[in-house]
Amino acid sequence: KAGVTQTPRYLIKTRGQQVTLSCSPISGHRSVSWYQQTPGQGLQFLFEYFSETQRNKGNFPGRFSGRQFSNSRSEMNVSTLELGDSALYLCASSNPQGGETQYFGPGTRLLVL
Amino acid sequence: AQSVTQPDIHITVSEGASLELRCNYSYGATPYLFWYVQSPGQGLQLLLKYFSGDTLVQGIKGFEAEFKRSQSSFNLRKPSVHWSDAAEYFCAVRPKEGGATNKLIFGTGTLLAVQP
Repeated sequence: KAGVTQTPRYLIKTRGQQVTLSCSPISGHRSVSWYQQTPGQGLQFLFEYFSETQRNKGNFPGRFSGRQFSNSRSEMNVSTLELGDSALYLCASSNPQGGETQYFGPGTRLLVL
Repeated sequence: AQSVTQPDIHITVSEGASLELRCNYSYGATPYLFWYVQSPGQGLQLLLKYFSGDTLVQGIKGFEAEFKRSQSSFNLRKPSVHWSDAAEYFCAVRPKEGGATNKLIFGTGTLLAVQP
């Protein structure tokens, strides 16, 4: 079974632009979560989607948003990029039958110049 | 306050030596507990997890972890480290309170270096 895939793997943007990252969960997984990883703040939870509904949200500004589609694929969007948004963005998927253990994708490395 | 603590930021061990990485948590009820490993430039790989039952859990790559309720700890161990184990290790918890959620709270990580 294929793992979690994230596209693109690397991205360079400039301040003020917006960006959309994509995540395809493991087949059969209905929950998708997003995390931001930076050297200063570590791994921080962004939000979680289950069956197309946002189930939980972390402490990030409204510039960060996400959605989930009927096939469980998820996207996250960051508008008006700031230098501090440079990070590794990780997506994880899980399913109830697996005890909701989260399996992570390789991440998207975003650099904001 | 709810937290996950990994007191060791960086650890260096010799190849073949034993390893123990510490993790302590502070939650009202024992949360679900996980250890993940991250190699440079990669995502997180699940090593093992504890939900309930036997307090000694076995994981992949020869790792094991012991849950100690009295100490609020979930330490990761390996009897003999290999050079390929060099990576960053994260302890994570999923609180049982707060309704249905998969939100993970991560520790700050322990960077493991392995000397030949």
